[in-house]
Amino acid sequence: IAGITQAPTSQILAAGRRMTLRCTQDMRHNAMYWYRQDLGLGLRLIHYSNTAGTTGKGEVPDGYSVSRANTDDFPLTLASAVPSQTSVYFCASSPAGSTDTQYFGPGTRLTVL
Amino acid sequence: GQNIDQPTEMTATEGAIVQINCTYQTSGFNGLFWYQQHAGEAPTFLSYNVLDGLEEKGRFSSFLSRSKGYSYLLLKELQMKDSASYLCAVINGDYKLSFGAGTTVTVRA
Repeated sequence: IAGITQAPTSQILAAGRRMTLRCTQDMRHNAMYWYRQDLGLGLRLIHYSNTAGTTGKGEVPDGYSVSRANTDDFPLTLASAVPSQTSVYFCASSPAGSTDTQYFGPGTRLTVL
Repeated sequence: GQNIDQPTEMTATEGAIVQINCTYQTSGFNGLFWYQQHAGEAPTFLSYNVLDGLEEKGRFSSFLSRSKGYSYLLLKELQMKDSASYLCAVINGDYKLSFGAGTTVTVRA
């Protein structure tokens, strides 16, 4: 692994199903983030974690949950997917907080039908 | 909330210069980023400004005026590979980062 990876690359999901998007980084960065990107709206922060064991809510957290059990992994869970959660999801990490450059994963394209 | 405005689209000719403006109204300010995002790819870092003035990095330069709530990204000697979206992102007084919607730049031969 080099940098930050996400899985799956893309997914089509039936509404009401549970889904976990995976994110792993090997840069030993303290901070990690989940964004969704929708046409015309730009990147919007869903949840973040400043360090392992802590998480916080971003701009659009409803319907999503995260956990940060260790430094490397930051999974995003949709408990019961809805069509409005159709989006491209990007995970990012930075050495420390928001004043550091963020490094983005390749993204997961999620379609909820 | 945060208000970050940038033009939706810009078109320029190969070899030319393009200036992408970003204006912001945030509760406090702790820095401004520019990221580049090619279609279907992840955003990548271009520049970071926290003090007023111009930061030059090769063909790309970024300017900040904190008193005016204004920044621009200047792309010189445009190349076809510069066709991408350019995202302005601002860190507010609570150290929360917010992104603008992005400016799609199309470079024509």
